[in-house]
Amino acid sequence: ELKVEQNPLFLSMQEEKNYTIYCNYSTTSDRLYWYRQDPGKSLESLFVLLSNGAVKQEGRLMASLDTKARLSTLHITAAVHDLSATYFCAVDIGGAQKLVFGQGTRLTINP
Amino acid sequence: EPEVTQTPSHQVTQMGQEVILRCVPISNHLYFYWYRQILGQKVEFLVSFYNNEISEKSEIFDDQFSVERPDGSNFTLKIRSTKLEDSAMYFCASRLQGNSPLHFGNGTRLTVT
Repeated sequence: ELKVEQNPLFLSMQEEKNYTIYCNYSTTSDRLYWYRQDPGKSLESLFVLLSNGAVKQEGRLMASLDTKARLSTLHITAAVHDLSATYFCAVDIGGAQKLVFGQGTRLTINP
Repeated sequence: EPEVTQTPSHQVTQMGQEVILRCVPISNHLYFYWYRQILGQKVEFLVSFYNNEISEKSEIFDDQFSVERPDGSNFTLKIRSTKLEDSAMYFCASRLQGNSPLHFGNGTRLTVT
């Protein structure tokens, strides 16, 4: 059974600092997605990573995928308060018709 | 931008009652899903649906659960006899094709008393 593990699960940061969230998964996949969830809200798609070495950037967030290491990272550069949210990675098992989500990383950015 | 819409936003029901959660996926999407999230916890897969049949279902999706796409636009999740532990946020999602992201609705908060 596919396991998807994120770390850290909780992250409290100062504004303007950099940090990385890690997403490890246990079986072969070359499709990985990052989502953001604000409290009480839905899940918003951030990044779609569809091949080994894929890198996507949007503003202060950058996501990458290493399928050989079964690892994706979400890097936050010069954090701002608006980025406070819970971030989920989700791995797609081709043909299995589902995404399996990590536990989520609750990010709090303090002024 | 097209959205996945879910109704109701909040449903309160008594244990043992049947509930139907409704979803209208994005119109040209082909794959449909139900997930649930117990407060503050992981997003758990329930079921996927493609070409008018279930593609995959999880252990959570037992005989008490069923899905339907009755009219080509709605996608419903029925729980026949609710239990306290069914209390959660239920999210419907759809995707255009197999490697596109899932688009989630705003969820239905189900409270079983």
